[in-house]
Amino acid sequence: SAVISQKPSRDICQRGTSLTIQCQVDSQVTMMFWYRQQPGQSLTLIATANQGSEATYESGFVIDKFPISRPNLTFSTLTVSNMSPEDSSIYLCSVRPTGNTEAFFGQGTRLTVV
Amino acid sequence: AQTVTQSQPEMSVQEAETVTLSCTYDTSESNYYLFWYKQPPSRQMILVIRQEAYKQQNATENRFSVNFQKAAKSFSLKISDSQLGDTAMYFCAHPTQGGSEKLVFGKGTKLTVNP
Repeated sequence: SAVISQKPSRDICQRGTSLTIQCQVDSQVTMMFWYRQQPGQSLTLIATANQGSEATYESGFVIDKFPISRPNLTFSTLTVSNMSPEDSSIYLCSVRPTGNTEAFFGQGTRLTVV
Repeated sequence: AQTVTQSQPEMSVQEAETVTLSCTYDTSESNYYLFWYKQPPSRQMILVIRQEAYKQQNATENRFSVNFQKAAKSFSLKISDSQLGDTAMYFCAHPTQGGSEKLVFGKGTKLTVNP
C-alpha cells in the first residue's frame, strides 16, 4: 500500500496567479500521476511524472499551464499557472506502487479561482 | 480509445437494501483489471473492489460484489445491506492499456443511502 500526503487541501486563489500543489508518498514509486476532477465530473489524467525526466502530458494539457516537478522517487509538485475560474477543480495525485494492482490517491486539493 | 461508461448519474437506496451500479467498458486487451472506487464527501478516493479479467469468478469484498460479464464488457457493482456510510460517488475504472498504471474513469454514479 501507499500513504499519500497532499497539500494544500484547499485554496482560494485570485485569477492570474499560480498555485503549487505538493504530493508526498511514504514509499518510493516510479511514476506519479496527476488528475483533475472538475465540479461534478470524473477524473481526467493531466500528466505522468517520472523521476529524472520530463513529465508526459495527456492531450489537452500543456507544460506551460501545468508544470510538474519530480525531484525524487517520493515527491512531486503540480503547479497550476496563470489561473482562471475554469481551473477551479479538485486536483489529485496518485501512485501505483510496484506489486500493487490498485492505485492510491492523495486526499485531493480543492482549488477555487475567483 | 479506452472508454468507461456509467449510465446512472444518480441513484438512491434505503438503508439495509441492495443496490446495483452499472458500468460498461471498451478495451482491446485480453487481460486487464477493473476497479470500483468510492469517493465520499471527504474527496478521498478509496478502492472498493477489483476484478481480474482472466478470472471467471466474480470478486467479493464483504457487502460489495461484482457481476463481471467479460463478453459483454460489463462490470456492475452490487452493494448489499446498504449503510449510510456508503453514500458517495462511485467510479468504475480500468487501465488505459493492459499493464498501464494510468486509469480511465467513468463519469461516476452518485449514490445516496437514505435512513
